[in-house]
Amino acid sequence: GENVEQHPSTLSVQEGDSAVIKCTYSDSASNYFPWYKQELGKRPQLIIDIRSNVGEKKDQRIAVTLNKTAKHFSLHITETQPEDSAVYFCAATPSGGSYIPTFGRGTSLIVHP
Amino acid sequence: SAVISQKPSRDICQRGTSLTIQCQVDSQVTMMFWYRQQPGQSLTLIATANQGSEATYESGFVIDKFPISRPNLTFSTLTVSNMSPEDSSIYLCSVADRANTGELFFGEGSRLTVL
Repeated sequence: GENVEQHPSTLSVQEGDSAVIKCTYSDSASNYFPWYKQELGKRPQLIIDIRSNVGEKKDQRIAVTLNKTAKHFSLHITETQPEDSAVYFCAATPSGGSYIPTFGRGTSLIVHP
Repeated sequence: SAVISQKPSRDICQRGTSLTIQCQVDSQVTMMFWYRQQPGQSLTLIATANQGSEATYESGFVIDKFPISRPNLTFSTLTVSNMSPEDSSIYLCSVADRANTGELFFGEGSRLTVL
């Protein structure tokens, strides 16, 4: 089955700095890579995703890159703000219609004002 | 999108008892899932709730411990049976986007504490 590794487990930055979270996956059949943000005590919510036919996707201050050959993808947050503080989960989803992702272990991002 | 209501939001339970968590979705959905999130941990899939048939359980989870019902396309229940302190966790209901984008929508979760 799929195996998703996520690093780092904790990331502490100053407000305004950039933050990068990296994930690797093992199954070359995975073709959909979402990122979820979970604020303390809240439900996980999708913030950005990328499909295997695209190398990069950007949405305001967040961007995701995908390297299919190396089987890794990354989340980039620029100009971090305290409200970016949360746990971020990457995931890899296989093709074939099951839509069951394998999640990484999560990264706790702390943005210090 | 989908709006998911989950209850109870939290409960404190005694060892050896069972608790049923309910999940109600505001629209018909094909794929519905139950996840467990232990403190500070990732999202672990317990099972896929299948409408009209037995749930499909992931490795390490069994029907006797986590019986699941899915009587229709908008509702499901997860029971945590014969609870022990190790079952203290957040249990999340989730559904797949009806547009088949791959996105998952989650309920707010049910935080169970077993004493």
